[in-house]
Amino acid sequence: GAGVSQSPSNKVTEKGKDVELRCDPISGHTALYWYRQSLGQGLEFLIYFQGNSAPDKSGLPSDRFSAERTGGSVSTLTIQRTQQEDSAVYLCASSFRELGVYSNQPQHFGDGTRLSIL
Amino acid sequence: DQQVKQNSPSLSVQEGRISILNCDYTNSMFDYFLWYKKYPAEGPTFLISISSIKDKNEDGRFTVFLNKSAKHLSLHIVPSQPGDSAVYFCAASEYGGNEKLTFGTGTRLTIIP
Repeated sequence: GAGVSQSPSNKVTEKGKDVELRCDPISGHTALYWYRQSLGQGLEFLIYFQGNSAPDKSGLPSDRFSAERTGGSVSTLTIQRTQQEDSAVYLCASSFRELGVYSNQPQHFGDGTRLSIL
Repeated sequence: DQQVKQNSPSLSVQEGRISILNCDYTNSMFDYFLWYKKYPAEGPTFLISISSIKDKNEDGRFTVFLNKSAKHLSLHIVPSQPGDSAVYFCAASEYGGNEKLTFGTGTRLTIIP
């Protein structure tokens, strides 16, 4: 389809393992965002990409979290040495945004990856 | 510090009546506001937005009102339909920023047939 695609949809892993979550944004969308939603909470910003660069990583909760975006398209969010508090739904969103232009374009979300740490 | 607040965790409305969802914010730098609807196991779906230069935006059954002096916005759905039953999130972004969204904790709307 033409929407934001995330994989896997569900991931169960043991504490201490590394996980990689993937996001494929809407074609042509230059801006990409990662958020997470913990149980009973609102969505929490993690990181923002404009093209391949990440000018805002301020929401990453610890240095165990990292993300990259290659070719201005697909992004991966990596969590190293997972902890139980990392259990959440990780959501990716994209929008069309020209660098340096404040455009008020809505972000469109994927269905998320539900991550469970045992 | 919760910069976007949805103080009603749940709301039940009779089918055909008006649903009013409320949202308050504290950051005066916010200037773009959005409402998203979320079904279980799906990502949030964009519904409607409003820029701070307006006080009302309408799209079909959905209208968003913004009161900047009160730092308050609301979403009106009329008439309410059973398919509107979902969790509704209010979100805001800051002028001149990277347009990252700050979300409220959501209101679960149930439409009673």
